[in-house]
Amino acid sequence: KAGVTQTPRYLIKTRGQQVTLSCSPISGHRSVSWYQQTPGQGLQFLFEYFSETQRNKGNFPGRFSGRQFSNSRSEMNVSTLELGDSALYLCASSSGLAGDEQYFGPGTRLTVT
Amino acid sequence: AQSVTQLGSHVSVSEGALVLLRCNYSSSVPPYLFWYVQYPNQGLQLLLKYTSAATLVKGINGFEAEFKKSETSFHLTKPSAHMSDAAEYFCAVSEGGNEKLTFGTGTRLTIIP
Repeated sequence: KAGVTQTPRYLIKTRGQQVTLSCSPISGHRSVSWYQQTPGQGLQFLFEYFSETQRNKGNFPGRFSGRQFSNSRSEMNVSTLELGDSALYLCASSSGLAGDEQYFGPGTRLTVT
Repeated sequence: AQSVTQLGSHVSVSEGALVLLRCNYSSSVPPYLFWYVQYPNQGLQLLLKYTSAATLVKGINGFEAEFKKSETSFHLTKPSAHMSDAAEYFCAVSEGGNEKLTFGTGTRLTIIP
């Protein structure tokens, strides 16, 4: 069974631009979560989508948004990029059932200059 | 609110020695607890999870963890360290089993030949 895939793997953007990251979950998984990983703040939860609906949300500004499609693929968008948005963005998928484990993709490394 | 504390941001052990990585959690409801490992430039890989079925949980690669409610701890151990265990380890908690994982700050494990 194929794992979680994320595209692109690396991205360089300029401050003020916007970016869209993509995540394809494991086949059959209906839940996709997004995390931001930085050296200073560690791993932080952004949001979770289940069956095309945002089910959980972390404490990030509205510049961070996401969506999920009917095939469970998910995208996250960051508008008006700031230098502090430079991070590894990780996507994780799961069945969505309580306590079920999340499987992580390799991440997208975003650098904002 | 849930939280995780990992004692020791860096741990070094000799090859063949016991590995002990500490994790303490805070949760207002019975928690689901996880240990993940991250190798350089990769995503997170699940080592094991606790979901109240048994207090001693066995995971992959010879790792295990014991849930101690009285100590609010979920320490990770491995009897004999291998060079391939060198990586960063993260403890995470989920309240009520929802998809929002709260991670500790991580412990970087170094194996001394």
